Amino acid sequence: EAQVTQNPRYLITVTGKKLTVTCSQNMNHEYMSWYRQDPGLGLRQIYYSMNVEVTDKGDVPEGYKVSRKEKRNFPLILESPSPNQTSLYFCASSLTGEETQYFGPGTRLLVL
Amino acid sequence: AQTVTQSQPEMSVQEAETVTLSCTYDTSENNYYLFWYKQPPSRQMILVIRQEAYKQQNATENRFSVNFQKAAKSFSLKISDSQLGDTAMYFCAFMDHAGNNRKLIWGLGTSLAVNP
Repeated sequence: EAQVTQNPRYLITVTGKKLTVTCSQNMNHEYMSWYRQDPGLGLRQIYYSMNVEVTDKGDVPEGYKVSRKEKRNFPLILESPSPNQTSLYFCASSLTGEETQYFGPGTRLLVL
Repeated sequence: AQTVTQSQPEMSVQEAETVTLSCTYDTSENNYYLFWYKQPPSRQMILVIRQEAYKQQNATENRFSVNFQKAAKSFSLKISDSQLGDTAMYFCAFMDHAGNNRKLIWGLGTSLAVNP
């Protein structure tokens, strides 16, 4: 089944404890992206990647890192999480970026 | 900067009836894509329908159709024969082509309740 997977789906952590949210797609998509969804602010792009080893900042990259060492994986790294990073995170992918973006199930993160 | 506006925070409709959700956007681009996504209580983001700006014909997907008015920068979603499973948040999104990024710019959503 073609899909985008994210892990973990739910995470409660404490300020400053490094964490990684994984994202993987099995559709051979080149374009991948991370968004966060917050009440009243909607979805905003954090980082995106056009292909392996090609990543760039979106609208709200502060406090996040990403890597794209393999085509299928695009992990989101929070090296020192803070409470303002409490949010619902989505990973998305599309074939080249021009096509429809397909979303993972979301990761709900709470930073205490 | 491109913006997407959904002017109806909440709507409700009776089962089997038709409802239309509004979306307007602002852009100086001529070629772009527009989308409607559905987010049910599970929080999964599900594509409902997609429209290419260069196509004059309105997109349809089963009970879902759009009214795309390019000059007015309007992109409404019509749901026919509403079903209980249509209860969800609906988001209108615009695809930005700035540089290499294919960022989606989102409205704040319309919460739709389908009542039995």
